[in-house]
Amino acid sequence: HLVQSGPEVKIPGASVKVSCKGFGYSFTTYGITWVRQAPGQGLEWVGWINTHLGFTDYAHNLQGRVTLTRDTSANTAYMELTSLRSDDTAIYYCARLTVANHQLDPWGLGTLVTVSS
Amino acid sequence: QSVLTQPPSVSAAPGQKVTIPCSGSNSNIGSHDLSWYQQFPGTAPKVVIYQNDWRPSGIPDRFSGSKSGTSATLGITGLQTGDEADYYCGTWDSSLNAIVFGGGTKLTVL
Repeated sequence: HLVQSGPEVKIPGASVKVSCKGFGYSFTTYGITWVRQAPGQGLEWVGWINTHLGFTDYAHNLQGRVTLTRDTSANTAYMELTSLRSDDTAIYYCARLTVANHQLDPWGLGTLVTVSS
Repeated sequence: QSVLTQPPSVSAAPGQKVTIPCSGSNSNIGSHDLSWYQQFPGTAPKVVIYQNDWRPSGIPDRFSGSKSGTSATLGITGLQTGDEADYYCGTWDSSLNAIVFGGGTKLTVL
């Protein structure tokens, strides 16, 4: 399973870093995907990281503001989002990605990031 | 505007069957495996169908998936009130280099 860090409250313009620790499987055998969900809205892909090699892909609308990293010694992936805006307020989920078929399973419980002045 | 198209809502009576369509294009559904995710209010999504038509262990065989060309369908038979949830289709899009989702379909079991 995946365990995410706790809720965050940030002011506009700040940065946030969310962690996602994997348990019970070989961490570098799967990718980690990040998906966000604004209040009352659908799922929006943020990006993914190849946990073995470290390369990443990001959603076009977040390019330049989002950075995905991982620490293989700690079986942990991180998502950092900078220059936060009110419309970044959302639950941020990490999910294990099977690259061969793009299946997302399991998902973390989510981290609520609230951006408010 | 989501890359994959789903109806906002569907409904059916307990015991009946419902289908949820998901429409895309050659760069996503037409070229890549598709998954279906179930999400109850206040909880994380959970996969109910992967690789177009495979069920993870623990998912009842009332759930089924199919894909043809650039469209896919989630089917649920013997509807139960506990099936009421939001359902999302998702896959990779090789033009966008991104995972794309449908806008979600709210299933109501009347």
